[in-house]
Amino acid sequence: EDQVTQSPEALRLQEGESSSLNCSYTVSGLRGLFWYRQDPGKGPEFLFTLYSAGEEKEKERLKATLTKKESFLHITAPKPEDSATYLCAVQATQKLVFGQGTRLTINP
Amino acid sequence: EAGVAQSPRYKIIEKRQSVAFWCNPISGHATLYWYQQILGQGPKLLIQFQNNGVVDDSQLPKDRFSAERLKGVDSTLKIQPAKLEDSAVYLCASSFKQNTEAFFGQGTRLTVV
Repeated sequence: EDQVTQSPEALRLQEGESSSLNCSYTVSGLRGLFWYRQDPGKGPEFLFTLYSAGEEKEKERLKATLTKKESFLHITAPKPEDSATYLCAVQATQKLVFGQGTRLTINP
Repeated sequence: EAGVAQSPRYKIIEKRQSVAFWCNPISGHATLYWYQQILGQGPKLLIQFQNNGVVDDSQLPKDRFSAERLKGVDSTLKIQPAKLEDSAVYLCASSFKQNTEAFFGQGTRLTVV
């Protein structure tokens, strides 16, 4: 069965303190890996798509990387406005399967 | 470009009542998804359409949930009868085709009392 596991469940950082979020997956036939940001009371907002091992994408303070078994979302010098839940989703042969998310809090 | 539209935003019903949610995807998007998100959890796929055909509905509780996508555009998700454990946010998403990024609506927050 296709599985996506994110860690940690919650992460609290000080403003400017860099860190990484992990997304490990077990799927048959990876077609793509997606990162989303979700703010309270809103639908997930698309961030990145990664299709093959070794691929990297960057946007402002965020950088996503992909290996054959996991993906990392690196956050460099975060600001309080980066506080949100970050979701990882994997496109298996047909289904788009989400992990449970990492709740990130950045303290000023 | 208009995003994914969902209605209503909020709904409160009593258990055993029925409820329906509506979704209008981004124009031209062939793939449409309905997800259920319980507070503190990631979205769980209920049903995925490709145009007006069902790609996956393996996690849809078919004894009480139904969904349709007429003419491959709008979609409705219905629950009848509702149970307390159906309280959740129901998210609709669409993508241009399978294996491309999906874009989400704001969701419908359902409370069953």
